Amino acid sequence: DAKTTQPPSMDCAEGRAANLPCNHSTISGNEYVYWYRQIHSQGPQYIIHGLKNNETNEMASLIITEDRKSSTLILPHATLRDTAVYYCIVRAYYGNNRLAFGKGNQVVVIP
Amino acid sequence: DTGVSQDPRHKITKRGQNVTFRCDPISEHNRLYWYRQTLGQGPEFLTYFQNEAQLEKSRLLSDRFSAERPKGSFSTLEIQRTEQGDSAMYLCASSSTQGANEQYFGPGTRLTVT
Repeated sequence: DAKTTQPPSMDCAEGRAANLPCNHSTISGNEYVYWYRQIHSQGPQYIIHGLKNNETNEMASLIITEDRKSSTLILPHATLRDTAVYYCIVRAYYGNNRLAFGKGNQVVVIP
Repeated sequence: DTGVSQDPRHKITKRGQNVTFRCDPISEHNRLYWYRQTLGQGPEFLTYFQNEAQLEKSRLLSDRFSAERPKGSFSTLEIQRTEQGDSAMYLCASSSTQGANEQYFGPGTRLTVT
């Protein structure tokens, strides 16, 4: 029951910014956008979340369009260790606590 | 290390046997989740606890599956009469009711049913 659309895979160059898109055209007013990533054979790792304002932390930046129907996760300087499956998830802040993962975006950072 | 831990990391069992997995959440987290992940798919939600109360169960959690969190700390997930289709990675996560309620995942238990 994932409500987001991501490309199945993408490559990006080491040292460059990686821009990961996500469409969530049916997002409702009380739903946040969360990003997780999963490095091979590890559990998913929380990256960032946002409602409507752009957000930045030590890992990444999250840009959400004004209509909130899409967002972009930006890894400012991709490294080989950023190779992972990235999941964009929409979820209400309160209430339903499950995370509905889709298939994600397999991002490969190329030297 | 104060992250989520899971035990065992790998389990191979024969069809029809029972298996039990353990999850130790981050100590101050009162919410605990179980997910299952098969090859090439994202994790799928199984069940959720707040303290010792099991508040939500997915329809994926058949009657062969049971989860407990008896004292609101660690949790166990038991699968009875395992089937080959149960082969998967079983992931545990925990979160706090404070802040963004972001979930922190353990490394998972890889189950192979032969």
